[in-house]
Amino acid sequence: DTEVTQTPKHLVMGMTNKKSLKCEQHMGHRAMYWYKQKAKKPPELMFVYSYEKLSINESVPSRFSPECPNSSLLNLHLHALQPEDSALYLCASSQLQGGYQPQHFGDGTRLSIL
Amino acid sequence: AQTVTQSQPEMSVQEAETVTLSCTYDTSESNYYLFWYKQPPSRQMILVIRQEAYKQQNATENRFSVNFQKAAKSFSLKISDSQLGDTAMYFCAFMTPSGTYKYIFGTGTRLKVLA
Repeated sequence: DTEVTQTPKHLVMGMTNKKSLKCEQHMGHRAMYWYKQKAKKPPELMFVYSYEKLSINESVPSRFSPECPNSSLLNLHLHALQPEDSALYLCASSQLQGGYQPQHFGDGTRLSIL
Repeated sequence: AQTVTQSQPEMSVQEAETVTLSCTYDTSESNYYLFWYKQPPSRQMILVIRQEAYKQQNATENRFSVNFQKAAKSFSLKISDSQLGDTAMYFCAFMTPSGTYKYIFGTGTRLKVLA
């Protein structure tokens, strides 16, 4: 069973639409991550939140806007996306204490931009 | 800058046989963590095994084991008694205690287990 839950599983949107991706975990993890993954490629880190504060932004275009409203939730707001933004978007979480803990990933949201 | 290299884009193995996936990395750090993740067609990235650099003993998880050669900066994954469910993309990942909790991934090896 997936301990990191992402919704929706699939999303098709036009370039002028506004939508949001959601991620939820109840493992008490205080670090949460957004990745973008193209087919047959490794995940590319987009954002990292630690203790609900944005700690890493990997020079992601402003049409992607992350939000961490509490320690269990992570959102990714999408606006005016481009066709090249079509990809699998993965959320992950990890503990921040006790050494360097592995990240736990969700199933991802498959995003298609028309 | 750290890099992770997986030199085998695709591999195949017969069911019940053993296969080894290679991973090399480059870093000037002495303390770091290494991970193998599996990503089946179902998409979820699943942790297979992890290794702390300060531990000389190779990590083992059931049919999965690693050969960690710190001096050679090598971290290979051995899958014993391969099963059809092992068919997946396998990513090697590296993390340093830089405070950013950031993975550096290799390009992946696509493994197909044949019946």
